[in-house]
Amino acid sequence: DAGVTQSPTHLIKTRGQQVTLRCSPKSGHDTVSWYQQALGQGPQFIFQYYEEEERQRGNFPDRFSGHQFPNYSSELNVNALLLGDSALYLCASSFGRTTYEQYFGPGTRLTVT
Amino acid sequence: AQKITQTQPGMFVQEKEAVTLDCTYDTSDQSYGLFWYKQPSSGEMIFLIYQGSYDEQNATEGRYSLNFQKARKSANLVISASQLGDSAMYFCAMREITGNQFYFGTGTSLTVIP
Repeated sequence: DAGVTQSPTHLIKTRGQQVTLRCSPKSGHDTVSWYQQALGQGPQFIFQYYEEEERQRGNFPDRFSGHQFPNYSSELNVNALLLGDSALYLCASSFGRTTYEQYFGPGTRLTVT
Repeated sequence: AQKITQTQPGMFVQEKEAVTLDCTYDTSDQSYGLFWYKQPSSGEMIFLIYQGSYDEQNATEGRYSLNFQKARKSANLVISASQLGDSAMYFCAMREITGNQFYFGTGTSLTVIP
């Protein structure tokens, strides 16, 4: 049973560029959440996708956008990268709208120079 | 106000001893879930244990138990018989019934000493 997968593992971008991160949920899961984890901090909620729609959004600017595909996989896009966007980006999947349990992927380490 | 507070940035424990990691939370919801995750240096968040706000008994999962004190709004993680492989960051998290997001604390770094 495949768990949550994310790609790429590591990424280096230049300030002002755009980046796309990808996530495939655990088999049977239909909900994907994205988190940003800065060094030495806990994960911060970016947004959640269910039925191909953004259901809830954390306190992140519009430069952060996402998409969910019919197969439940998801992308996180960040435009106009800033040095402060350097972080570990975690994807988590769960089943249904009200479930409490979620499983995390290994993360994508983004470095902005 | 912080939704989740973890006041221990770092903890040390002797191998085979028990250790308690503190977590307090803040919510006005009557229904919520409390979680503990382990994050090794590899970065992946590993689910350890879950406690529902209406659960009367403390949750247990193997060597992990959650000391849930609702009136004090605390959800401490107890790891019994610590092992070297327990060395990692530990995060307390909460999800409220009114929302879909998880709130995480700042984490506690646990080091198990041989």
